[in-house]
Amino acid sequence: QSVLTQPPSASGTPGQRVTISCSGSSSNIGSNTVNWYQQLPGTAPKLLIYSNNQRPSGVPDRFSGSKSGTSASLAISGLQSEDEADYYCAAWDDSLNGPWVFGGGTKLTVL
Amino acid sequence: QVQLQESGPGLVKPSQTLSLTCTVSGGSISSGSYYWSWIRQPAGKGLEWIGRIYTSGSTNYNPSLKSRVTISVDTSKNQFSLKLSSVTAADTAVYYCARDFLYCSSTSCYSLPRDWGQGTLVTVSS
Repeated sequence: QSVLTQPPSASGTPGQRVTISCSGSSSNIGSNTVNWYQQLPGTAPKLLIYSNNQRPSGVPDRFSGSKSGTSASLAISGLQSEDEADYYCAAWDDSLNGPWVFGGGTKLTVL
Repeated sequence: QVQLQESGPGLVKPSQTLSLTCTVSGGSISSGSYYWSWIRQPAGKGLEWIGRIYTSGSTNYNPSLKSRVTISVDTSKNQFSLKLSSVTAADTAVYYCARDFLYCSSTSCYSLPRDWGQGTLVTVSS
């Protein structure tokens, strides 16, 4: 059971906008920033969004993040077939001076 | 561009100690101010942060694993290592090493795994 809660699956058609939610608590998302990783099949996770809404260099601006209270969202606009992957949210948890906690992951299917 | 590569036994017997090494190339492990992390992922499941070590050698561990985990660094070999004792089948997973990067929000600073190795599968079985 993951500390952060994500829907197990999401889907969309090419060109569409999809959002993936991530729900936590006051000790993690409520008091710290949220980060998002993309994991393509058979590969290591790649940092997609950090500090709620910041993109590392090289990440297209089709990807955006937001946070409100104890929840966060990842939005992908102009959906492309290569976006089909697993997406994980992550946040620091203050309850025991860490650790990093993750969501269970959302498998995005591009129809 | 820094690269990380995990290595170690792919099969460990129950109750024994899992030992993995992460070799860093493309840069010195002791240059800069970085945390170096271990994360694992059971097949078909989510990610679990194991712990991290700073360049100076100080460590932070996941409280749920703290009693069994040791992370160390060998700057002469440009490597850092993970030891997990008393393993069970529940420790079967792909293990990743990563280099963190530091970022700051308006209120706090965070060291977040960013550059990951390709991962190595460790199976715990007799």
